[in-house]
Amino acid sequence: GAVVSQHPSWVICKSGTSVKIECRSLDFQATTMFWYRQFPKQSLMLMATSNEGSKATYEQGVEKDKFLINHASLTLSTLTVTSAHPEDSSFYICSAPQVQETQYFGPGTRLLVL
Amino acid sequence: DQQVKQNSPSLSVQEGRISILNCDYTNSMFDYFLWYKKYPAEGPTFLISISSIKDKNEDGRFTVFLNKSAKHLSLHIVPSQPGDSAVYFCAATIKTTDKLIFGTGTRLQVFP
Repeated sequence: GAVVSQHPSWVICKSGTSVKIECRSLDFQATTMFWYRQFPKQSLMLMATSNEGSKATYEQGVEKDKFLINHASLTLSTLTVTSAHPEDSSFYICSAPQVQETQYFGPGTRLLVL
Repeated sequence: DQQVKQNSPSLSVQEGRISILNCDYTNSMFDYFLWYKKYPAEGPTFLISISSIKDKNEDGRFTVFLNKSAKHLSLHIVPSQPGDSAVYFCAATIKTTDKLIFGTGTRLQVFP
């Protein structure tokens, strides 16, 4: 079946540093990918839509300068958390739609900002 | 504004019996609904989906029911197995957008 990978699986960083998370579709091309964030015991919240070859579109309340998204190819989208702070600590998950309406999710990246 | 709600945060069911997970939504524009299973620190795994033009979809032990007038859907798992223990999320989308709006999740525990 379709596989979406994420790297790294988890990262610990100091406050003020930037962290890059990669999302790859391994056996299919994805012109669109989605980035979600999940806080403990809460739902997955859509952050932004990553569009290959164009700017990402962000959901209301998500700072585009804080969460930089680059969709450089049909199989790779990156999310960079700039100047990370402890409140950015969360579980970040990407997804890519393949067959009709069905999205496949990556394994997630746990970010801990100290 | 939570457009997709799962009012039961947890559910405990004995192995072999039926598990029923419920989900309510408020946006009448949603036209496709999905259920995902999730383990801690992993991405969600797709289980089953249903289009708004249907009221039932079945796949093995999993059946999803949709009641559009009530804006309610449910996932039935029968018979329940211990391996089904996980957090289940319902999600809704407007097909032209591909954006998934998730419910808050229900933790299912199936005990022997």
